[in-house]
Amino acid sequence: DTGVSQDPRHKITKRGQNVTFRCDPISEHNRLYWYRQTLGQGPEFLTYFQNEAQLEKSRLLSDRFSAERPKGSFSTLEIQRTEQGDSAMYLCASSLVLAKEETQYFGPGTRLLVL
Amino acid sequence: AQKVTQAQTEISVVEKEDVTLDCVYETRDTTYYLFWYKQPPSGELVFLIRRNSFDEQNEISGRYSWNFQKSTSSFNFTITASQVVDSAVYFCALSEADNYGQNFVFGPGTRLSVLP
Repeated sequence: DTGVSQDPRHKITKRGQNVTFRCDPISEHNRLYWYRQTLGQGPEFLTYFQNEAQLEKSRLLSDRFSAERPKGSFSTLEIQRTEQGDSAMYLCASSLVLAKEETQYFGPGTRLLVL
Repeated sequence: AQKVTQAQTEISVVEKEDVTLDCVYETRDTTYYLFWYKQPPSGELVFLIRRNSFDEQNEISGRYSWNFQKSTSSFNFTITASQVVDSAVYFCALSEADNYGQNFVFGPGTRLSVLP
């Protein structure tokens, strides 16, 4: 399968614990995005990378959230000291930006439940 | 601040009908991108289109078409001859550049039900 993959698909944790999610983009895609979506709501942008550089992070995002993309390949999203409000689906997308064109491909998401 | 409005919360049509999903945006930037995404019942988001603010040409892709009008700040999406497989939640989104770099805002979504 050559699509975007995310691991784990589901995560249940207790409030205050740290969690880390992984996203493997489509090979050779230079851009990688993280979004969050709560039930019944639209997605919310978190951050994105151009290769290994983190170009933008949502101004609304807490300092408890951090993301990395070492070597410009896979990416990890870490949430420290989780809160119940962090419960959501975390979506990753990748794209190959060429000139004016860009098509994003989404992974299946990681569903987080904070108890 | 940027904002995306999708006034239609839910729409139901009968198969083969045409349907238009409305999207109205607010931005003070002159450079921005507009997007449409589809989220079927399976949950996985599907990218449909990206349009930059300098390209007002309408776009057609099979049964899908998009009407971008800067004068009314709208980027409407039309599905021609709808099919049951078009049933999904559709999101419009705006990405703009500001002093802090680009940021994305999604609309609340329109749930489309296509009945057989």
